[in-house]
Amino acid sequence: QVQLQQSGAELVKPGSSVKMSCKASGYTFTSYYIYWIKQRPGQGLEWIGRIGPGSGDTNYNEKFKGKATFTVDKSSSTAYMQLSSLTPEDTAVYYCASVMGFAYWGQGTLVTVSS
Amino acid sequence: DVVLTQTPPTLSATIGQSVSISCRSSQSLLHSNGNTYLHWLLQRPGQSPQLLIYSVSRLESGVPNRFSGSGSGTDFTLKISGVEAEDLGVYYCVQGTHAPFTFGSGTKLEIK
Repeated sequence: QVQLQQSGAELVKPGSSVKMSCKASGYTFTSYYIYWIKQRPGQGLEWIGRIGPGSGDTNYNEKFKGKATFTVDKSSSTAYMQLSSLTPEDTAVYYCASVMGFAYWGQGTLVTVSS
Repeated sequence: DVVLTQTPPTLSATIGQSVSISCRSSQSLLHSNGNTYLHWLLQRPGQSPQLLIYSVSRLESGVPNRFSGSGSGTDFTLKISGVEAEDLGVYYCVQGTHAPFTFGSGTKLEIK
């Protein structure tokens, strides 16, 4: 069955960077975009952007350009998102999703930015 | 960016009641390829969102058929015909026609 397994929670300091992973299984990794979505505590969902694992092409929400960077490792069917210059406003759960955009979701990675 | 306006923000229903959620878009979601990429998600408390309906009216595999979607252009509706206890949570519409893709603000369904 399709699974997206995300990396564990992170506690990071303001100004630092964090890199999280999303390991896909149960489908052809290169066939579908991986989407990244942000959810701040008690808030709604926000689309950060997507990466095509086969081509490596990326689309970023303008709001997250310079903040988020997507990469993939096809050999391990894993997508990564790095967030840089972290501030408390980056504290959120970050989800990856795939297959027709939103058919399958990871369990989320909680990033807490605090000194 | 496309703005999706969901109403109502909260909904209180009894078991067996039928309810509807509206999602209105600031621009048409009809893609140039003829498809309309408007989907519905449910996020149960403490869980990741799950896909219920895709492309306006197509029921995702494994989703009960008490859920249905309709609409076109800028106006869309999710209907639950006979609410069950497991349906509580926050419902989101999301559009995948115009980048950046955007979500509605959510409708919280409570069970009376």
